[in-house]
Amino acid sequence: KAGVTQTPRYLIKTRGQQVTLSCSPISGHRSVSWYQQTPGQGLQFLFEYFSETQRNKGNFPGRFSGRQFSNSRSEMNVSTLELGDSALYLCASSLVSGPYEQYFGPGTRLTVT
Amino acid sequence: GIQVEQSPPDLILQEGANSTLRCNFSDSVNNLQWFHQNPWGQLINLFYIPSGTKQNGRLSATTVATERYSLLYISSSQTTDSGVYFCAVGVEYGNKLVFGAGTILRVKS
Repeated sequence: KAGVTQTPRYLIKTRGQQVTLSCSPISGHRSVSWYQQTPGQGLQFLFEYFSETQRNKGNFPGRFSGRQFSNSRSEMNVSTLELGDSALYLCASSLVSGPYEQYFGPGTRLTVT
Repeated sequence: GIQVEQSPPDLILQEGANSTLRCNFSDSVNNLQWFHQNPWGQLINLFYIPSGTKQNGRLSATTVATERYSLLYISSSQTTDSGVYFCAVGVEYGNKLVFGAGTILRVKS
């Protein structure tokens, strides 16, 4: 069974631009969560989507948004990029909305210049 | 919100040694997972262990939910065990995980 996939794996953007990251969960999994990892703040929860609905949201500004499609694939969008948005963005997949075991993808490393 | 503390923050071992990593949390949890982050950044699942004891090869874990801590044991460590080990807990309905700061493990040959 294929694992969680994330695209792109690496991305370089300029301050002020916007970016869209994609996550495909494990086949049959319907919950997708997003996390941001930075050296200063560690791993922080962004949001969770289940059945195309946002179930939970972390303490991030409105510039961070997401959505989930009917096939459970999810995208997250960051608008008006700031230097501080440079991070590893990790997506996690779970069978349903939890608490359930979560499986992480390889991440997208975003650099904002 | 819940606080998750991992200790020690750094650990250097000689190959073949055993180690214990600890995770303390400040409130009741309904989910607890241990992960190993590889050098490329991917989080590898080690254990899903909201309570009880589990073993997988050289690794084992114990969570004592009533006392709000979990332990990860690594026996006969190998250089490939090097990396960052994270404990993450869930406290709300849904899949939100709160991560500890991690333990950086270095195994020397």
